[in-house]
Amino acid sequence: GNSVTQMEGPVTLSEEAFLTINCTYTATGYPSLFWYVQYPGEGLQLLLKATKADDKGSNKGFEATYRKETTSFHLEKGSVQVSDSAVYFCALSTGGGGNKLTFGTGTQLKVEL
Amino acid sequence: EAGVVQSPRYKIIEKKQPVAFWCNPISGHNTLYWYLQNLGQGPELLIRYENEEAVDDSQLPKDRFSAERLKGVDSTLKIQPAELGDSAVYLCASSLGGSSYEQYFGPGTRLTVT
Repeated sequence: GNSVTQMEGPVTLSEEAFLTINCTYTATGYPSLFWYVQYPGEGLQLLLKATKADDKGSNKGFEATYRKETTSFHLEKGSVQVSDSAVYFCALSTGGGGNKLTFGTGTQLKVEL
Repeated sequence: EAGVVQSPRYKIIEKKQPVAFWCNPISGHNTLYWYLQNLGQGPELLIRYENEEAVDDSQLPKDRFSAERLKGVDSTLKIQPAELGDSAVYLCASSLGGSSYEQYFGPGTRLTVT
């Protein structure tokens, strides 16, 4: 079956530091890959997505590249801000974004001044 | 545009009691999802509706959980009777439909069973 593995948190960084959150997946077929973000007290929001191998998703300074050879979709940002503090979820869908999403366990990011 | 609305936001009940959660999706969204999120875990799909039809309920524990989406708009998820292990956040999401549309999530209902 489908599964997503992401690095455990919490990840604590100083403002302006470089961020990497690792995500690897197992799936049948050719999944679409997503990063969702959950700010305190709010629902999950789609941060970025990639639908085929070598695609790069990007939004708000965050990037992730769909690597089929390593079955990975690592999230990166060059300079984090305090406002980026949230829980980040990697997810996949084998039927596009409208079908069942399989999520990782989430990685909490804390950014300090 | 209003987002996905869920109520209540928090609910505390004693075990063996019934509980219901309500979700109103974004206007025009044909597909509605209920997810369960345990503490420290990612959400897991319970049921997916396309309009009024439940097209994927394979993960819904049917002995105690039920859901309905009358008229293909808002939806109710019920647990009867609740157990201690049902304490979690219940998330509702909606999308325009088909296989290529983003899912929009509500803030969730946090259930505590004592």
